[in-house]
Amino acid sequence: DAGITQSPRHKVTETGTPVTLRCHQTENHRYMYWYRQDPGHGLRLIHYSYGVKDTDKGEVSDGYSVSRSKTEDFLLTLESATSSQTSVYFCAIRRDSSTDTQYFGPGTRLTVL
Amino acid sequence: QKEVEQNSGPLSVPEGAIASLNCTYSDRGSQSFFWYRQYSGKSPELIMFIYSNGDKEDGRFTAQLNKASQYVSLLIRDSQPSDSATYLCAVPIQGAQKLVFGQGTRLTINP
Repeated sequence: DAGITQSPRHKVTETGTPVTLRCHQTENHRYMYWYRQDPGHGLRLIHYSYGVKDTDKGEVSDGYSVSRSKTEDFLLTLESATSSQTSVYFCAIRRDSSTDTQYFGPGTRLTVL
Repeated sequence: QKEVEQNSGPLSVPEGAIASLNCTYSDRGSQSFFWYRQYSGKSPELIMFIYSNGDKEDGRFTAQLNKASQYVSLLIRDSQPSDSATYLCAVPIQGAQKLVFGQGTRLTINP
């Protein structure tokens, strides 16, 4: 258990509404990540953070923004949700070790109608 | 060419046999590789990490790395129905700040 929680775990929303997903860690790791997982595409990186207020884009960042005001929380916001953002979203942390392994949260299933 | 490629399967193996999962990567400078297992509806979990040429064994799992061929594989011996899952290969990039994942191979072990 990497001490990662995600909320909400499931959400159904309508096109055009804003949505915020929360990732919370209990172990104080510097690196946190947001991925989306879709059939046929595997895991794709949306944004990541390497410290408080330090974030960078991943390969599928369009339509998403992130914020990290505290070490333990990493928020992913869909400013105006679209049906193409229906997906399963995973948060991950990277443990600072010789292997730099990433560990994943339980995921959030988001449906945009 | 994608940075990491896997055969998406599905791969079907009889119980007790050896399951072989393969991954190729494009960056010759890649130093380490991860194998994750993901059960349906669950999050990926790390099962193996390998950074040197040759084999690394952990119980019924063996990871094999061939840097010259840019090829990493995962062997599961004495396959069990509980091994049925999707297996994801991942390669660190940008100084290990990020991981790039393959599409995953769906493995089914038939009793």
